[in-house]
Amino acid sequence: DADVTQTPRNRITKTGKRIMLECSQTKGHDRMYWYRQDPGLGLQLIYYSFDVKDINKGEISDGYSVSRQAQAKFSLSLESAIPNQTALYFCATSGGAGYGYTFGSGTRLTVV
Amino acid sequence: EDKVVQSPLSLVVHEGDTVTLNCSYEVTNFRSLLWYKQEKKAPTFLFMLTSSGIEKKSGRLSSILDKKELFSILNITATQTGDSAVYLCAVASRGKGAQKLVFGQGTRLTINP
Repeated sequence: DADVTQTPRNRITKTGKRIMLECSQTKGHDRMYWYRQDPGLGLQLIYYSFDVKDINKGEISDGYSVSRQAQAKFSLSLESAIPNQTALYFCATSGGAGYGYTFGSGTRLTVV
Repeated sequence: EDKVVQSPLSLVVHEGDTVTLNCSYEVTNFRSLLWYKQEKKAPTFLFMLTSSGIEKKSGRLSSILDKKELFSILNITATQTGDSAVYLCAVASRGKGAQKLVFGQGTRLTINP
């Protein structure tokens, strides 16, 4: 099993719909992150969490919300999806400062 | 605002060539610089650099950091078609911000047979 699992792998949804992307990890890390990737823009941070009670906005949090249901689970919601949220979304975990990230396989989201 | 800039954005070479990818950064309270390779989906970790002038090496890949000039390079020698990927550079800073990485745009490397 993968260390960081994202579901779904691919999703097409209509404008205005609410959608949730889920992430679970088996690495035992406290730190979890959601990034989005658009062509030519690298990865941009949406939200990050240091533990269950700690949630922080990233660079591009508008239009998104998150929930840290447990140490191992961190979900990302689009309350009312719009076409410019079409992107590749990555969840990642980290063992702390000085450690690299472990990424999930990504969710390709298309909003039509 | 922390910033990471990679160059070139795209590079096409022939198998066997040597390539150098560049990453420059502006960050408050620098902690480390990381390189990732992204082929189809998830980025995979290559190197973490924290000290200037110390080369990290893994097979045909190597990387070095210059904290005075605020840049890093990633070298790939004797390139192979399997090296084709997007290479991402990211920087972490100290303090609470150390827990999040700022990424560059990536360099798309294509190796032709």
